[in-house]
Amino acid sequence: EAQVTQNPRYLITVTGKKLTVTCSQNMNHEYMSWYRQDPGLGLRQIYYSMNVEVTDKGDVPEGYKVSRKEKRNFPLILESPSPNQTSLYFCASRRDTTYEQYFGPGTRLTVT
Amino acid sequence: GENVEQHPSTLSVQEGDSAVIKCTYSDSASNYFPWYKQELGKRPQLIIDIRSNVGEKKDQRIAVTLNKTAKHFSLHITETQPEDSAVYFCAAELPLGTDSWGKLQFGAGTQVVVTP
Repeated sequence: EAQVTQNPRYLITVTGKKLTVTCSQNMNHEYMSWYRQDPGLGLRQIYYSMNVEVTDKGDVPEGYKVSRKEKRNFPLILESPSPNQTSLYFCASRRDTTYEQYFGPGTRLTVT
Repeated sequence: GENVEQHPSTLSVQEGDSAVIKCTYSDSASNYFPWYKQELGKRPQLIIDIRSNVGEKKDQRIAVTLNKTAKHFSLHITETQPEDSAVYFCAAELPLGTDSWGKLQFGAGTQVVVTP
């Protein structure tokens, strides 16, 4: 089954404790992205990647890091999480520009 | 970069009526305009998309229209049903060769409530 997976689905952590949210896709897609979703603000892109070892900042990259060492994986790293990073996070992948983007199930992160 | 505005933020309709959501974009070079539906607690899923060389596209009860001159595009849902209740997001994308290619810029979303 073609899919995008994320782990964990729910995470409660404390300020400053490094965490990683994993994302994996099995569709051999070139493009992958991370978004955060907050009420009234829609989906805001954090980082995106056009291929292995090629990443670029989205609209809200501060406080986040990503890596793309393999085509299928695109982890999101929060080196020192803060309460303003409490949000719902979606990973997404697509074959190419102007093609459908597939979203993962989402990760609900709470930073206290 | 691209900026997308979406209106209204909430829309209540009676079952069977039509719903229209409008989006405007800032960069006339944008060439791809998808619409995503997000049901409560679920991930966004593509429901329809349109490219800049097409003015209108239909798929059963949903349709999208694009006005490149005015830089706006709209989602039309006819004969609404309770299962159409969800948040709808529009998006716009700049083509290859621009600074923001490969990046979908989303609107803030429209909460649609269909009442029986």
